[in-house]
Amino acid sequence: QQPVQSPQAVILREGEDAVINCSSSKALYSVHWYRQKHGEAPVFLMILLKGGEQKGHDKISASFNEKKQQSSLYLTASQLSYSGTYFCGTEPRAAGNKLTFGGGTRVLVKP
Amino acid sequence: DTEVTQTPKHLVMGMTNKKSLKCEQHMGHRAMYWYKQKAKKPPELMFVYSYEKLSINESVPSRFSPECPNSSLLNLHLHALQPEDSALYLCASSHHHLTGTAGEKLFFGSGTQLSVL
Repeated sequence: QQPVQSPQAVILREGEDAVINCSSSKALYSVHWYRQKHGEAPVFLMILLKGGEQKGHDKISASFNEKKQQSSLYLTASQLSYSGTYFCGTEPRAAGNKLTFGGGTRVLVKP
Repeated sequence: DTEVTQTPKHLVMGMTNKKSLKCEQHMGHRAMYWYKQKAKKPPELMFVYSYEKLSINESVPSRFSPECPNSSLLNLHLHALQPEDSALYLCASSHHHLTGTAGEKLFFGSGTQLSVL
């Protein structure tokens, strides 16, 4: 079952912050985050394996609330290069090791 | 080499044609995946190969036939496709198949944009 992402789209000015949320109805092994720019391959950002785990990549970080089956991606002091569609991928404990992607969040960072 | 290479980048085919998509990686990864992505939608899993054996088939119609000749190559054979099969087909690889605890990340190719007329 597909995880639910919100918001569907966000427009930012350079330097502003944003939060993207991802929630699942199933108990999860892990949550992945990927970014896809138009016409390009999805690129891995980070993976969260344990409840409460927070990881960071440059000024992009994420948290995972295992009890709520929710993850949030934080874009801090956004840069033009952050534009793209962000997908969370979830690996449910009972799903035979499949990675299922959420609907995506389109992020546009303007100068 | 940290790339997954897919060919061709674009493909137009008729409903009676037979064609193949190719995917190659030289990272020593033992799991390879086919995903289908419609415009403005997320990638949807089609097949997973683990150690050259088909591990997951997500109830994909038989007009799509995957093949893994060796650990570096993955093919997707197409026959008698329908217009609704038009999409971006993405190949991905990871060191090993997802196990839930190992933290495997997927490396994606740029995809083949397929149009079925």
